[in-house]
Amino acid sequence: EVQLVESGGVLVQPGGSLRLSCAASEFTFSNYWMSWVRQAPGKGLEWVADINQDGSEKYYVDSVKGRFTISRDNAKNSLFLQMNSLRAEDTAVYYCARFFTRPVGAIDYWGRGTLVTVSS
Amino acid sequence: QSALTQPASVSGSPGQSITISCTGTSSDIGVYNYVSWYQQHPGKAPKLMIYEVSNRPSGVSNRFSGSKSGNTASLTISGLQAEDEADYYCSSFTNSLTYVFGTGTEVTVL
Repeated sequence: EVQLVESGGVLVQPGGSLRLSCAASEFTFSNYWMSWVRQAPGKGLEWVADINQDGSEKYYVDSVKGRFTISRDNAKNSLFLQMNSLRAEDTAVYYCARFFTRPVGAIDYWGRGTLVTVSS
Repeated sequence: QSALTQPASVSGSPGQSITISCTGTSSDIGVYNYVSWYQQHPGKAPKLMIYEVSNRPSGVSNRFSGSKSGNTASLTISGLQAEDEADYYCSSFTNSLTYVFGTGTEVTVL
């Protein structure tokens, strides 16, 4: 069974930085697009970013462009999200997700999520 | 890119059919057949129910079906069951090369 396990979510102050990680297993990680999707407490889903198989293509939602960077290490079956200049509105559960190829974009497997709280 | 518009809540009795709408624009749903639907139970990760407007992933009940007309996509749940009570989200590819989710619909089984 495909497994995606996120880590790195903590309480951080506004303006701070954080790096989320996602460990993937039970599938050939290097064959798949991957993405991050977030959900603020009690709110809906928001697509954040996605990355292609070799990391050469990356896409971001406008609200995080220039602040967040998605990356991957295929040798370690890992996905990352570097988050800088964090704002209160970035507070959310961040899900790591396996992504159908663009532009289909459907997500067939999700992790359980890691909570990022931005607050002073 | 604004979120796609869904009704906040839809309800039905067991065995009935319900339809959830998802309204976008000519920049997303209206021009692409890349609409997906997700089911999310409280405290759980979402689950893919429909992709490319009307395709069901393996393992998803055929009680779930999707369609699209113009700028609006729809998810129909037939033979409503208690386990269908959850939040449902649509999503679509956009002409900005990004993805946008819907506002979410809470389905209640009466």
